[in-house]
Amino acid sequence: TQLLEQSPQFLSIQEGENLTVYCNSSSVFSSLQWYRQEPGEGPVLLVTVVTGGEVKKLKRLTFQFGDARKDSSLHITAAQPGDTGLYLCAGGTGNQFYFGTGTSLTVIP
Amino acid sequence: DVKVTQSSRYLVKRTGEKVFLECVQDMDHENMFWYRQDPGLGLRLIYFSYDVKMKEKGDIPEGYSVSREKKERFSLILESASTNQTSMYLCASSFSGDTEAFFGQGTRLTVV
Repeated sequence: TQLLEQSPQFLSIQEGENLTVYCNSSSVFSSLQWYRQEPGEGPVLLVTVVTGGEVKKLKRLTFQFGDARKDSSLHITAAQPGDTGLYLCAGGTGNQFYFGTGTSLTVIP
Repeated sequence: DVKVTQSSRYLVKRTGEKVFLECVQDMDHENMFWYRQDPGLGLRLIYFSYDVKMKEKGDIPEGYSVSREKKERFSLILESASTNQTSMYLCASSFSGDTEAFFGQGTRLTVV
């Protein structure tokens, strides 16, 4: 069962552009995480959001958790080639995590 | 920093072989997970464990088994490897089911 839908699935942009990635669900999660994964490596945790409406910033990355704790967004300002990778959102509930299918981002120099 | 270590980065095995993938975490986490990741299918949960000697099936447990004899170690076993088990295998651990998960570096398994 795919509980988390991410959009877009693929994104290719020029260096310096801004972008937003979305993670949507019909389910409520007690927390939501964002990960970045580079080819051949495991996902690396970027941020965890737990409170509805919460906004967290990590340098040029801004994460927002929806008020109802069902959705989240990741906004990148002035993207750089080092931002290239697969971005995954994950919702935690009970003893499990549910992962979105990911957004593959390519930033062209 | 949390460290999750998988025993191999790359493995090549023959069809029918029994394969062991090992995962160790150093943060005294209760929960451990095994996923496989395939293009277009995302991460799919194979098994997870919330305590020593406890295991729960995930979404795709067929053809796999697991072992958790010690809290820090969670092993994935392919009883008789098949070519459709060629994949990237990811181990993760977390303190609880709704805190963040930390992943190992992944094992790229090829079954020939």
